[in-house]
Amino acid sequence: NAGVTQTPKFQVLKTGQSMTLQCAQDMNHNSMYWYRQDPGMGLRLIYYSASEGTTDKGEVPNGYNVSRLNKREFSLRLESAAPSQTSVYFCASSDHRGQGEKLFFGSGTQLSVL
Amino acid sequence: DAKTTQPPSMDCAEGRAANLPCNHSTISGNEYVYWYRQIHSQGPQYIIHGLKNNETNEMASLIITEDRKSSTLILPHATLRDTAVYYCIASNSGGYQKVTFGIGTKLQVIP
Repeated sequence: NAGVTQTPKFQVLKTGQSMTLQCAQDMNHNSMYWYRQDPGMGLRLIYYSASEGTTDKGEVPNGYNVSRLNKREFSLRLESAAPSQTSVYFCASSDHRGQGEKLFFGSGTQLSVL
Repeated sequence: DAKTTQPPSMDCAEGRAANLPCNHSTISGNEYVYWYRQIHSQGPQYIIHGLKNNETNEMASLIITEDRKSSTLILPHATLRDTAVYYCIASNSGGYQKVTFGIGTKLQVIP
């Protein structure tokens, strides 16, 4: 099992460019999440998908869009990148099985917007 | 989901037990306590979780007070590889959309 796979690992964009961050999980989880992490701060939820076909805004959704393509894949799109979106982005997945619900993270995408 | 409070940083000597506290005084009866850690800039990693009883796995032990208002993560023999940020969160297994990851506790294991 690969777990949660994110691509790319690094990306540099110019202001105004667009890009899509890809995320896939092979654990058959229902829920998937996109977080951003800025220096000295905790993880902040951008968007989440509680199940295939549904998406909802998190704490900091402005400037982003998401697509839950199927149960495995959940992508994050920046339509017009801004320097304020320079951050490390993490995708995660979870599923309620038995007692508790563990969250599994990808290795992250380091994005710089110039 | 209940808010949690952790000290921003702690030191521990290599080989000694690291005891990381967490306060969750507003936790509700169906909320689990979870611990994750983040080594450098990697994705956070699940460590352990519990509801009422103390728990132990190959990574750590979790001690939850009887009133469930606080807990302690114990790394029995800390190594340099345990240097990381440790996050304590409370969640009721309805997903993580309402969970707030604070800044956690930065644990520095000292040789």
